[in-house]
Amino acid sequence: DAGVIQSPRHEVTEMGQEVTLRCKPISGHNSLFWYRQTMMRGLELLIYFNNNVPIDDSGMPEDRFSAKMPNASFSTLKIQPSEPRDSAVYFCASSLEGPYEQYFGPGTRLTVT
Amino acid sequence: GENVEQHPSTLSVQEGDSAVIKCTYSDSASNYFPWYKQELGKRPQLIIDIRSNVGEKKDQRIAVTLNKTAKHFSLHITETQPEDSAVYFCAARFSGGYNKLIFGAGTRLAVHP
Repeated sequence: DAGVIQSPRHEVTEMGQEVTLRCKPISGHNSLFWYRQTMMRGLELLIYFNNNVPIDDSGMPEDRFSAKMPNASFSTLKIQPSEPRDSAVYFCASSLEGPYEQYFGPGTRLTVT
Repeated sequence: GENVEQHPSTLSVQEGDSAVIKCTYSDSASNYFPWYKQELGKRPQLIIDIRSNVGEKKDQRIAVTLNKTAKHFSLHITETQPEDSAVYFCAARFSGGYNKLIFGAGTRLAVHP
């Protein structure tokens, strides 16, 4: 298996622009997680899905952030409009439901200028 | 609420020494405790995990111990090597369902030759 796939790997955009991050989970995994990592705040869980349904989005910082999972093999995290404080590494992870390992993707490094 | 505290935040050891990282958790019903290693610029990767029905688990130079009564668990690395230098995260599975993990803030381990 190719593992969790994320795109793009790097994104540089200007403040106010829309940013869309993409994730393909490992085939057969039914749980998907979006994390944000910064030096100041560490690894934060933004939202997670189970069987394509959003379960908990309490970690989404504000209404500028939205996430979707239209099918079992694809999810997006959108920021509109983006701000410099959104600059971070965004990880997607997937797992089987239950007490099992979460597999992380390579991350998307977002820079908002 | 859900919380995992991790100590120390930084740890410096000489090659060949042992390193110990400790975590405490608040959710007494947590049943799964993974440890992730994150090298600079890379994704977090699982190095060892333990479930609540086990008190200790070893894998070569790495061991994890769990004390459910005290709600704490620890990572032990023996005979440290420079390639062990990384940030280590502990986590506890949230008992509210699915596979939500609560991560500690991380420990930056430096192993000096």
